[in-house]
Amino acid sequence: DVQLMQSGGGMVQRGGSLRLSCEVSGLELRTVTMNWVRQAPGKGLEWIAHISTPTPFTYYAASVEGRFTVSRDNAKNSVFLQMDNLKNEDTAVYYCARGGLTTVGYYWGQGSLVTVSS
Amino acid sequence: QSALTQPPSVSGSPGQSVTLSCTGSSRDIGAHKYVSWYQQYPGAAPKLLLSEVSNRPSGVPDRFSGSKSGNTASLTISGLQPEDEADYYCCASIGDTSLVFGGGTKLTVL
Repeated sequence: DVQLMQSGGGMVQRGGSLRLSCEVSGLELRTVTMNWVRQAPGKGLEWIAHISTPTPFTYYAASVEGRFTVSRDNAKNSVFLQMDNLKNEDTAVYYCARGGLTTVGYYWGQGSLVTVSS
Repeated sequence: QSALTQPPSVSGSPGQSVTLSCTGSSRDIGAHKYVSWYQQYPGAAPKLLLSEVSNRPSGVPDRFSGSKSGNTASLTISGLQPEDEADYYCCASIGDTSLVFGGGTKLTVL
């Protein structure tokens, strides 16, 4: 079975940084593209980042461009989301998802709550 | 990029059919076949129901079907069951560089 196990959420002050991790099992990460999606409390889903393969091209939503960085370590079967200069509006549950720029998520992680405080 | 438009809520009785709409533009839904649908229960991760408008992954009941006409995609749930009560999201590609979700529809089974 394909599983995505997330780690790294928590509370951070406005302007701070946080790094989320997503470890994939049941498939070889080097063969698949990945997305990050977030959901603010009581709100809908928002796609925020994509990383391709084999060349790790990255794409971002305007809301996080320049502040968030997605990367991958195929040897560790893991994808990461580095979040810098965090804002209050970045408070959300963040999901990693195995998917591309056509279908956002065939498989999903369990979610990581990020809370940005003033 | 503005979110796709979904009705905030839809309801139906067990056994009935309901159709959830998702309206975009000629830049997203109207431009290609890359529309997907997700089901989400409270506190849980989303689950893929349909990809490329109407393709069901293994394990998704055939009560769930999809279609598209112009700039609007639709998800139809036939033979509504109590466990279908959840939030439903559509998602579409924009060009080759981004994705956009709808605001979500809360389905209530009466």
